[in-house]
Amino acid sequence: KNEVEQSPQNLTAQEGEFITINCSYSVGISALHWLQQHPGGGIVSLFMLSSGKKKHGRLIATINIQEKHSSLHITASHPRDSAVYICAVRSLAGNQFYFGTGTSLTVIP
Amino acid sequence: DGGITQSPKYLFRKEGQNVTLSCEQNLNHDAMYWYRQDPGQGLRLIYYSQIVNDFQKGDIAEGYSVSREKKESFPLTVTSAQKNPTAFYLCASSKDRAYEQYFGPGTRLTVT
Repeated sequence: KNEVEQSPQNLTAQEGEFITINCSYSVGISALHWLQQHPGGGIVSLFMLSSGKKKHGRLIATINIQEKHSSLHITASHPRDSAVYICAVRSLAGNQFYFGTGTSLTVIP
Repeated sequence: DGGITQSPKYLFRKEGQNVTLSCEQNLNHDAMYWYRQDPGQGLRLIYYSQIVNDFQKGDIAEGYSVSREKKESFPLTVTSAQKNPTAFYLCASSKDRAYEQYFGPGTRLTVT
């Protein structure tokens, strides 16, 4: 059983669409991370959050600690947003990270 | 420019050979990590180090070894004991374990 589950696994959208990627986790956490992995393989950290909501440009991340759920939203999607988005959580003790398997997003012009 | 570098980007080896993957950071971070990524699976932690001259095994340490002689450097050796070494290897660093991790560009290792 995976401690972190993401949905959907794959997502194709038209340019301009609003996109939501979901993450559910089963362990107590001290923080949740959203990461972006481009086709070349490098990973960039998008958000680290432990409560509420964060916004950066067209990206919004929310977390509901009681429901153990987080969402990543992309507004006005663009082909350059095409990437794999990975949810990761840090355990309460801070000494373990658990990673989801990722959501592969393709935005078509 | 601060960041993490990994070299080489692609590495090919014959079965039975040890191979060392390089990871260097100039972010002045104390903690460094090695992850392995396989298709359809989440990242899995191989080893991590919270401070120079100290490192801990992660979830899949068997067949791997590391050293941390300098703060900036955390090389990973994939030994011939690793049964399935072909994978994408990612190095990361953070200020300490409670902080956000920064990732290197990765090394894709193919063993035939």
